[in-house]
Amino acid sequence: DIQMTQSPSSLSASVGDRVTITCRASQGIRNELGWYQREPGKAPKRLIYAASSLQSGVPSRFSGSGSGTEFTLTISSLQPEDFATYYCLQYNSLPPTFGQGTKLQIK
Amino acid sequence: QVQLVQSGSELRKPGASVKVSCKASGYTFTRYAINWVRQAPGQGLEWMGWIDPNTVNPTYAQDFTGRFVFSLDTSVSTAYLEISGLKPEDSAIYYCAREAAPMDYWGQGTLVTVSS
Repeated sequence: DIQMTQSPSSLSASVGDRVTITCRASQGIRNELGWYQREPGKAPKRLIYAASSLQSGVPSRFSGSGSGTEFTLTISSLQPEDFATYYCLQYNSLPPTFGQGTKLQIK
Repeated sequence: QVQLVQSGSELRKPGASVKVSCKASGYTFTRYAINWVRQAPGQGLEWMGWIDPNTVNPTYAQDFTGRFVFSLDTSVSTAYLEISGLKPEDSAIYYCAREAAPMDYWGQGTLVTVSS
């Protein structure tokens, strides 16, 4: 199975900050990576697919980059509704595997 | 709009069974596979497998063979996850998610608690 190492596991930031979350794959996955936001009690929401394609309806402050084994999710200017947990997911090969998550908290 | 709505929380005793439903709307149900994903307390997200509505052929991840069964009722656009022989370690939130390389729309999750 492909291992996804996500960092940091938690992050404290303020409204307006720029934050970056990283995922590293144990082997190359081309651009077959997605990013998700999960708020407690809500359905996870896909933000990014194919490493850098923004899901329709997702604010443009979210962006993704990377290819191969290194990927990043950037939020350019944090808004109050962005404080949630974020996960990466590789779908290059079965089984799909997730990063361990990054909990983004208000500083 | 696309929605996946899951059944409510369940409390079961060890050894019992549970069946979780996931009702889809807003798209043609047979065009997309349905994934099942588990999140145990304090753990990350874990893919359990998927089921293709066209073939009704389930694929199970290695850790989810035997006691876990995926099924569909295409007449009501609903997918099901049934777990038999429940163990306390099956306590988790179970999500369904539409497969769109990668999963795009998710259900809200169903909390299953296994306790005597």
